[in-house]
Amino acid sequence: GAVVSQHPSRVICKSGTSVKIECRSLDFQATTMFWYRQFPKQSLMLMATSNEGSKATYEQGVEKDKFLINHASLTLSTLTVTSAHPEDSSFYICSVRVGGNQPQHFGDGTRLSIL
Amino acid sequence: AQSVTQPDIHITVSEGASLELRCNYSYGATPYLFWYVQSPGQGLQLLLKYFSGDTLVQGIKGFEAEFKRSQSSFNLRKPSVHWSDAAEYFCAVGASASKIIFGSGTRLSIRP
Repeated sequence: GAVVSQHPSRVICKSGTSVKIECRSLDFQATTMFWYRQFPKQSLMLMATSNEGSKATYEQGVEKDKFLINHASLTLSTLTVTSAHPEDSSFYICSVRVGGNQPQHFGDGTRLSIL
Repeated sequence: AQSVTQPDIHITVSEGASLELRCNYSYGATPYLFWYVQSPGQGLQLLLKYFSGDTLVQGIKGFEAEFKRSQSSFNLRKPSVHWSDAAEYFCAVGASASKIIFGSGTRLSIRP
């Protein structure tokens, strides 16, 4: 069964609105989750590392105020795209760090389309 | 700096034929290596991983990969592909299982 649940799977909204994407760890207590962005026909780019109970760590070039990350519990991290614009349209994928040498478990992604 | 290269953007093979997807990496020490598969509109599924030990790694769905330090490669192979193998394949490398970087991906199409 799924280890990571990501919701919604698809969202279409108007420019200027804010969109929240949820990433839930179903089987593990996840102190660390990751958020990736994937443009069409391209690879995954790490946006930020979400740390439970503390501030997220953002990769270079990713706007902290644009992509708000909240990791308030061991099973939930949220990514909020604030004041979304068409260029924010993309596929966003979260993953959960299980620990040790275990590989990350990925959610099914969220297709965000900004009109 | 670590990097990973997948030289083939798109590969088409006939159903039942063998498959090899190439992956080359740049890293100072022995890296953590992964192959993931992504179906359209879906997340990533782990096919196999290499951390240490036997350099020939067996994965799910009949896939295997071989770590060759001398060539800085971690190529993915399957002896006989099925139509359901059509997808995007990503090689990934990292200093640990936590922070990894992905290659640009190889799209696999299967010819009936």
